[in-house]
Amino acid sequence: DTAVSQTPKYLVTQMGNDKSIKCEQNLGHDTMYWYKQDSKKFLKIMFSYNNKELIINETVPNRFSPKSPDKAHLNLHINSLELGDSAVYFCASSLGGGRGFYEQYFGPGTRLTVT
Amino acid sequence: KNEVEQSPQNLTAQEGEFITINCSYSVGISALHWLQQHPGGGIVSLFMLSSGKKKHGRLIATINIQEKHSSLHITASHPRDSAVYICAVRAQAGTALIFGKGTTLSVSS
Repeated sequence: DTAVSQTPKYLVTQMGNDKSIKCEQNLGHDTMYWYKQDSKKFLKIMFSYNNKELIINETVPNRFSPKSPDKAHLNLHINSLELGDSAVYFCASSLGGGRGFYEQYFGPGTRLTVT
Repeated sequence: KNEVEQSPQNLTAQEGEFITINCSYSVGISALHWLQQHPGGGIVSLFMLSSGKKKHGRLIATINIQEKHSSLHITASHPRDSAVYICAVRAQAGTALIFGKGTTLSVSS
């Protein structure tokens, strides 16, 4: 009955590798997000998709590429991983892109460690 | 300067104490969220509000739109309240949340 799920929960990989994190929500929401939480626990938006369309793309290296095959899924692919990419990545979802008053539901997070 | 500022950064309390965490923001918003992140890492939404006051159990959240300020209160604090509390705002023009740096609360028995 998990509302927002992410896989994997932990990911350890070497510099230069390419990896993907998957996110799925079963809430019927139409907007999904990727957030990055750094070592100081500070959360920051990376991407937002509404109905499979990219609506927010913060200053993120183009090594990061989100892909939304349908409204329920938003995957994050990372090329040429760097040490600075080590962080916890949270997926979230909500109703309604644009102006709104919608609660966000977070996935459990994926802890990425680049060695 | 971050668009969302929280204080204090760290807070320790004895069980039963009344806790207040403050959040100030500098942008126009459509909503303000209070989130809780447990030591295990999961993030849970506690409140979402755009005016007035909301209460859920021992938790109370208030917001003053004119002063661009919100407070989260915990009455009769308990060790299980120990967590990081994060204030986040949704700017009027967009949907993504802008986060404060969090307040780490530790309640001892």
